[in-house]
Amino acid sequence: GAGVSQTPSNKVTEKGKYVELRCDPISGHTALYWYRQSLGQGPEFLIYFQGTGAADDSGLPNDRFFAVRPEGSVSTLKIQRTERGDSAVYLCASSLTRQGNNEQFFGPGTRLTVL
Amino acid sequence: AQSVTQLDSQVPVFEEAPVELRCNYSSSVSVYLFWYVQYPNQGLQLLLKYLSGSTLVKGINGFEAEFNKSQTSFHLRKPSVHISDTAEYFCAVSPRGGGGSNYKLTFGKGTLLTVNP
Repeated sequence: GAGVSQTPSNKVTEKGKYVELRCDPISGHTALYWYRQSLGQGPEFLIYFQGTGAADDSGLPNDRFFAVRPEGSVSTLKIQRTERGDSAVYLCASSLTRQGNNEQFFGPGTRLTVL
Repeated sequence: AQSVTQLDSQVPVFEEAPVELRCNYSSSVSVYLFWYVQYPNQGLQLLLKYLSGSTLVKGINGFEAEFNKSQTSFHLRKPSVHISDTAEYFCAVSPRGGGGSNYKLTFGKGTLLTVNP
């Protein structure tokens, strides 16, 4: 079966622009997560969805970041007024349920470069 | 809150040599423990996890890890590495239990394992 997919794989944008990053989770997975991996760092939690609702957005760095999952499947991470410090790999993961003992399956990531 | 420390940012080894990648964690609550591997331009793949029971956990590709509660460590080992094991390895924890934020993985900074011929 298909794994988690993310598009685009690479995104280059200019400072101040708006970007959208898309995640297609594994079919049937109710839980979806976004992480950000900066250069030389491990992934850092951004937001968690259970179904259509954002159950925990405590990791979003500021109000320029927003994510949606309107039908409980595909999710979009939206970044407004991008800054150079937003450059990173954005990883999406999904799991069958939210329980911590359930494996999170990761996508290949979107590499965002803000010039 | 949890934190994870991976003591070595880079570990170079020769093919067929044994390797140990070190991981220590800090947490005020009990945790689940994980090791993930990231090959170039790919997503993270779960190598193994410790949930409960035996402290020695065996994973894919011949890797194993041992949970040591007193030392708050979860070191990853492989008795004989291959060129194809060259990758970045991440240790991660999440809080144990049915409630709270037990889904939230906290990662270390990673260890780059380079296997040379």
